[in-house]
Amino acid sequence: DGGITQSPKYLFRKEGQNVTLSCEQNLNHDAMYWYRQDPGQGLRLIYYSQIVNDFQKGDIAEGYSVSREKKESFPLTVTSAQKNPTAFYLCASTAGYQPQHFGDGTRLSIL
Amino acid sequence: AQTVTQSQPEMSVQEAETVTLSCTYDTSESDYYLFWYKQPPSRQMILVIRQEAYKQQNATENRFSVNFQKAAKSFSLKISDSQLGDAAMYFCAYRYSGGSNYKLTFGKGTLLTVNP
Repeated sequence: DGGITQSPKYLFRKEGQNVTLSCEQNLNHDAMYWYRQDPGQGLRLIYYSQIVNDFQKGDIAEGYSVSREKKESFPLTVTSAQKNPTAFYLCASTAGYQPQHFGDGTRLSIL
Repeated sequence: AQTVTQSQPEMSVQEAETVTLSCTYDTSESDYYLFWYKQPPSRQMILVIRQEAYKQQNATENRFSVNFQKAAKSFSLKISDSQLGDAAMYFCAYRYSGGSNYKLTFGKGTLLTVNP
């Protein structure tokens, strides 16, 4: 079955540490997205990529970085510059005018 | 910039009853899509219904229907014959149909409780 796989499901970060969240899709979608979800805030766009080797900042990109070396993969790194990283992170993908498909998310917490 | 507003942080409904969730949006564009997503306690985002702005007919998916008022920039979701499994956070979302980035703008969500 086609879909989006996010891993790990839960992740803990120590102070000063960078952590990477994985997002893999087998839907052959060109565009991929990373969202952050906080209570009462809805989903906010961190980064997005429309094609391989290209990506753009979303609304809250500070303290995050991404890469898009393969069509299937769009990993998100939460750097030590992100002072409030505790949140639920969702990855999504789409092709053309289809609705976005979402992964099951990663919960990131501070140790 | 586009904005999406969901004015009801929480709503409740009795099982088998009907409930309507509100959503308003602001855009200067004439061609766009609107969506309702459901997020149950599992946190998975599930597409409920989609509306193209150029279509005057309101979208319907089984027990879910929308009331799309383009001039008023309103996009409410009606859930008929509510079931316990409908309990979830519901998000309204907007996407401009032009360009190629397909970005979604979300409202802050409405938490729906279904009482037995």
